[in-house]
Amino acid sequence: AQSVSQHNHHVILSEAASLELGCNYSYGGTVNLFWYVQYPGQHLQLLLKYFSGDPLVKGIKGFEAEFIKSKFSFNLRKPSVQWSDTAEYFCAVTNNAGNMLTFGGGTRLMVKP
Amino acid sequence: DAGVIQSPRHEVTEMGQEVTLRCKPISGHDYLFWYRQTMMRGLELLIYFNNNVPIDDSGMPEDRFSAKMPNASFSTLKIQPSEPRDSAVYFCASSLFQYEQYFGPGTRLTVT
Repeated sequence: AQSVSQHNHHVILSEAASLELGCNYSYGGTVNLFWYVQYPGQHLQLLLKYFSGDPLVKGIKGFEAEFIKSKFSFNLRKPSVQWSDTAEYFCAVTNNAGNMLTFGGGTRLMVKP
Repeated sequence: DAGVIQSPRHEVTEMGQEVTLRCKPISGHDYLFWYRQTMMRGLELLIYFNNNVPIDDSGMPEDRFSAKMPNASFSTLKIQPSEPRDSAVYFCASSLFQYEQYFGPGTRLTVT
């Protein structure tokens, strides 16, 4: 069975700091990878996705993620965070054998103004 | 498209009462998912349907929970009887085949 690990449960940054959130998955086959964001009191929204092609994926609001197959990783990055990026971020993976989206435990990001 | 629609947005009920949560997926999507989110347990997949057929209900906590999808545009999640530990935000999501899931706004359930 596939699983997703997000090792950083809570991250606190000051505005303009750079962000990198870790995501590792366990599955040996072809995977599709996602990052979702959940702003306080809201539902999950898709931030970016990787299906194939260029392993560096650019999403909305200046976020990007890099798929490193050899490391089974899909880390999320942003060069300069803003207070409005305060949210919970979920990494998720699904495989081509089905449509079971497996979520990581989430990382709560707080950006101090 | 209006996106995934859930109702009600908030539900407060007393222990022992029946609760029914409703979801309308995005038109054309063939998968529908029910999730529960709590501070303690995070985001949990309860059940999902493909073409209105339940595929995996292993996440349903116990027999008090049931879900149906009578047609492609409607699904319900029922809790009977409800208990305080069922208090959570329940999300419905839909997707087209293996592509990304789109989440509804959620139903915040409080059982007193």
